[in-house]
Amino acid sequence: DQQVKQNSPSLSVQEGRISILNCDYTNSMFDYFLWYKKYPAEGPTFLISISSIKDKNEDGRFTVFLNKSAKHLSLHIVPSQPGDSAVYFCAASALSGAQKLVFGQGTRLTINP
Amino acid sequence: DAGVIQSPRHEVTEMGQEVTLRCKPISGHNSLFWYRQTMMRGLELLIYFNNNVPIDDSGMPEDRFSAKMPNASFSTLKIQPSEPRDSAVYFCATLETGGTDEQYFGPGTRLTVT
Repeated sequence: DQQVKQNSPSLSVQEGRISILNCDYTNSMFDYFLWYKKYPAEGPTFLISISSIKDKNEDGRFTVFLNKSAKHLSLHIVPSQPGDSAVYFCAASALSGAQKLVFGQGTRLTINP
Repeated sequence: DAGVIQSPRHEVTEMGQEVTLRCKPISGHNSLFWYRQTMMRGLELLIYFNNNVPIDDSGMPEDRFSAKMPNASFSTLKIQPSEPRDSAVYFCATLETGGTDEQYFGPGTRLTVT
């Protein structure tokens, strides 16, 4: 049973436009959410996170939005750059077990020049 | 720091053989995680350790899988006997307890069982 779902396996966006990656979760105990970015032949690297007490967190070109009632979060990248082409994983945890992250399947983002 | 080190980077083995994957965590990180990545299920947590003690192994798929952390600087994930469906990329990640919740991942071991 996938508790964290990324329903789009891939996404293609024009350079300079906005990329929006989506993630849904089912476990209402989750209250901390993270996005990881992964290049080929490398391990995932942390990108941005958000606690459930917030509905938005911004870091440069990256913004994560959290809609707790819909159990949905999204990652916005604007403007998109070719170096953003990677696989993006959404992850969630419950603070009581903050070390135990549950990951989604990942979305492959391709930025076209 | 060199980051999380995993070896080997690639492993090809025949069904029924024993496979051992190795991980050296970042110095000072006292939590260690083993993940498996597949196309269908993404990243799955197999097991994690705090201070060398296994805390949660509920993600270990079968008794064929075992993991150890004999000291703070080394961990192994063993599959015996291996099967073709074990083919995946296996990641080790480490975390400094009490710091941020950011787990640092190694480069992974790509395992192919024929």
